[in-house]
Amino acid sequence: GQQLNQSPQSMFIQEGEDVSMNCTSSSIFNTWLWYKQDPGEGPVLLIALYKAGELTSNGRLTAQFGITRKDSFLNISASIPSDVGIYFCAGQRRGTGNQFYFGTGTSLTVIP
Amino acid sequence: EAGVAQSPRYKIIEKRQSVAFWCNPISGHATLYWYQQILGQGPKLLIQFQNNGVVDDSQLPKDRFSAERLKGVDSTLKIQPAKLEDSAVYLCASSLGVRSPPYENTQYFGPGTRLTVL
Repeated sequence: GQQLNQSPQSMFIQEGEDVSMNCTSSSIFNTWLWYKQDPGEGPVLLIALYKAGELTSNGRLTAQFGITRKDSFLNISASIPSDVGIYFCAGQRRGTGNQFYFGTGTSLTVIP
Repeated sequence: EAGVAQSPRYKIIEKRQSVAFWCNPISGHATLYWYQQILGQGPKLLIQFQNNGVVDDSQLPKDRFSAERLKGVDSTLKIQPAKLEDSAVYLCASSLGVRSPPYENTQYFGPGTRLTVL
């Protein structure tokens, strides 16, 4: 199965700093999703993107669907301790039975 | 709105034993997914159902894994016999499964079942 490459693999930042992470693929995707997973829990959907170039915000989170359709970006502004967790991207290609391929994850640690 | 329910939350078994997991999707969601998430990795799709039919099971180890979704609602995933490498979190997700615009295929995940095989 295909895995998407996420970077960075892990981040250690000070509270209040902005965070940027990205997800890349060798294939074109029609939908990009960003999830956050806390320890012992399932992934929780943060943002969904459906069109190339789309920029969508959810509070302090902003995500973009890359114009090449092979990448996506997630930014978190003014990080807070509860932002700690693992962030996953997921991409879907039309014609694959709605299957989503997940990234390798970015682990975020926020230092108070 | 109730989320995706899974049980049990934790299971510890010895290798060669059998184990079953249960999932109840969000009401009205036609599509149900089972994922395997090994520690430090992203979720990997095992099987996808559309109502009670299988859409994709290409990554399901069919010699030991089986899944069913009778009546198109609840689903069970079984492993028989379990191996050490099956230790992972098993996640269930569901989506509306709409195939026409606006393509509402956003997946919502349950809390997962953490399986430890000794």
